[in-house]
Amino acid sequence: GIQVEQSPPDLILQEGANSTLRCNFSDSVNNLQWFHQNPWGQLINLFYIPSGTKQNGRLSATTVATERYSLLYISSSQTTDSGVYFCAVYSYGKLTFGQGTILTVHP
Amino acid sequence: GAGVSQSPSNKVTEKGKDVELRCDPISGHTALYWYRQSLGQGLEFLIYFQGNSAPDKSGLPSDRFSAERTGGSVSTLTIQRTQQEDSAVYLCASSLVGGPYPQETQYFGPGTRLLVL
Repeated sequence: GIQVEQSPPDLILQEGANSTLRCNFSDSVNNLQWFHQNPWGQLINLFYIPSGTKQNGRLSATTVATERYSLLYISSSQTTDSGVYFCAVYSYGKLTFGQGTILTVHP
Repeated sequence: GAGVSQSPSNKVTEKGKDVELRCDPISGHTALYWYRQSLGQGLEFLIYFQGNSAPDKSGLPSDRFSAERTGGSVSTLTIQRTQQEDSAVYLCASSLVGGPYPQETQYFGPGTRLLVL
């Protein structure tokens, strides 16, 4: 099956810093999503981004489908950005998730 | 409803007992998915329903796990003779259409936290 790898596994930032999270996948996809899992365990949709670039406030994402990777940018990080960030790709009826990046933002 | 809902939020049970977990998808969504999140395994797919088609059960870890979807809406995941390794968060998601290569977003519920003592 398709493999999804995320890096870095852990990231610690001071409030106000910028960061880039990476997601590599092993096969071509037409559906890729980024999620934020908050401290209560809820998976919150950030982006549906099979290709191209999207922006939503301080967050933006870019997927280069031909090179099989996606990037999530967080600018001017806030403590509320803390949590786990997952990318997931859709293949044969299911989402396959990466192992996640644990982000901690200190005040 | 406004989003995917799941019940109960938390469930504690004794080893060997059966449990039922419920999922209410977003109104109008024809595709429904169950996933499991455990400490050692990350997020993993369990089962997928699309419309009236036979479900894709390829992710169910054993024959103790089963799921049904009634009336194309509510789904119940049943775990029989629970084991301690079944302890995890069980997440339900829905999407508008589904299919093998959908170009749409899956929306997740808050999950049910299952603890098997």
